[in-house]
Amino acid sequence: GQQLNQSPQSMFIQEGEDVSMNCTSSSIFNTWLWYKQDPGEGPVLLIALYKAGELTSNGRLTAQFGITRKDSFLNISASIPSDVGIYFCAGQARGSQGNLIFGKGTKLSVKP
Amino acid sequence: GAGVSQSPRYKVTKRGQDVALRCDPISGHVSLYWYRQALGQGPEFLTYFNYEAQQDKSGLPNDRFSAERPEGSISTLTIQRTEQRDSAMYRCASSLNSGTGLGETQYFGPGTRLLVL
Repeated sequence: GQQLNQSPQSMFIQEGEDVSMNCTSSSIFNTWLWYKQDPGEGPVLLIALYKAGELTSNGRLTAQFGITRKDSFLNISASIPSDVGIYFCAGQARGSQGNLIFGKGTKLSVKP
Repeated sequence: GAGVSQSPRYKVTKRGQDVALRCDPISGHVSLYWYRQALGQGPEFLTYFNYEAQQDKSGLPNDRFSAERPEGSISTLTIQRTEQRDSAMYRCASSLNSGTGLGETQYFGPGTRLLVL
């Protein structure tokens, strides 16, 4: 099935560093979502974006909906050990009726 | 319930057997979704329901896969004549509204890990 291009695939950073990851698509989306998945758990929604150009924050997390509607990025500032996990982007196209298309994920490791 | 629950959490079966995976969505949630997640990949859409009606089954890989939600609450994903390539994590999600609006939050369950030997 279709999946988004998400990069990087993995990151290994020091506690306190900022993190940036992005997602691109060959097709236009009307909604971009960012999820985090902890081991043994299902993905949990972090941020939802509904308009091209929209910049939204949730605590130390900031995400933007690209102006072309074909990309999005997620930034995490001042990372802490509990940020460890896999981050997924997901897009939804108008008329897709609930069908979310996910990226392959970015695995984040944080060294104390 | 407090969250989406799925059972069993783990299922090991022999090739050729049928399996049924259950999803119990958050109480009152209208929409229910099934995804499949291979190791190292993101979830891949299979099908979804609004109430008891199956709205989109375009993601089901083939006719061995079927899903139902007869009373608009609990759903069962059935895989007939399982094959080794069916091994994956099967995740269920639910959302409060109809699913036709964009961006309605989907709450995911812990998944069922299926291993076909």
